[in-house]
Amino acid sequence: RKEVEQDPGPFNVPEGATVAFNCTYSNSASQSFFWYRQDCRKEPKLLMSVYSSGNEDGRFTAQLNRASQYISLLIRDSKLSDSATYLCVVNPDEYMRFGAGTRLTVKP
Amino acid sequence: DTGVSQNPRHKITKRGQNVTFRCDPISEHNRLYWYRQTLGQGPEFLTYFQNEAQLEKSRLLSDRFSAERPKGSFSTLEIQRTEQGDSAMYLCASSFRRGASPLHFGNGTRLTVT
Repeated sequence: RKEVEQDPGPFNVPEGATVAFNCTYSNSASQSFFWYRQDCRKEPKLLMSVYSSGNEDGRFTAQLNRASQYISLLIRDSKLSDSATYLCVVNPDEYMRFGAGTRLTVKP
Repeated sequence: DTGVSQNPRHKITKRGQNVTFRCDPISEHNRLYWYRQTLGQGPEFLTYFQNEAQLEKSRLLSDRFSAERPKGSFSTLEIQRTEQGDSAMYLCASSFRRGASPLHFGNGTRLTVT
């Protein structure tokens, strides 16, 4: 079983749509959680940290369910510029584990 | 620019040759990581340093791979006797030594072994 699992997509949505990505992780000792965004042939960039109580950053909302070992990312009012791969990241010990990513394409 | 810097950006080499990549982390960060990423996959951990000490290595890091961070600043990753399976993006990242501290990645070095 992979340490971090994500639905690979692709998700193809129209501008303005709301889209949600899910992620599960296997190590219950994990303490830190993040979502990264990666554009084609570029490096991953931090989108947001994920806190136990859930957190929001503009159109982006992240949720964590420790009991189910589940993380989610909700994007509201999708923009063309949101098209990218979204990586779920978990840190159970000294280094981060990355999911394979969920690809999002937002269309006009 | 005070971000993480990697060079070269691209490297094409023939099978059997040795290659070396360099990473300059953000100067305030004491942790430096190397990851490898292939198409359609997320980054896979290779190794990390805290200051000059290499603290952990993945089983992915065969004997042909070696990494150094001699003065706790820049790091090098060397691959000896390259194989076609080594073709990937090699990503360097740095962070503070705190569990919740996120990684800051460099642009990566894209290696193609022919």
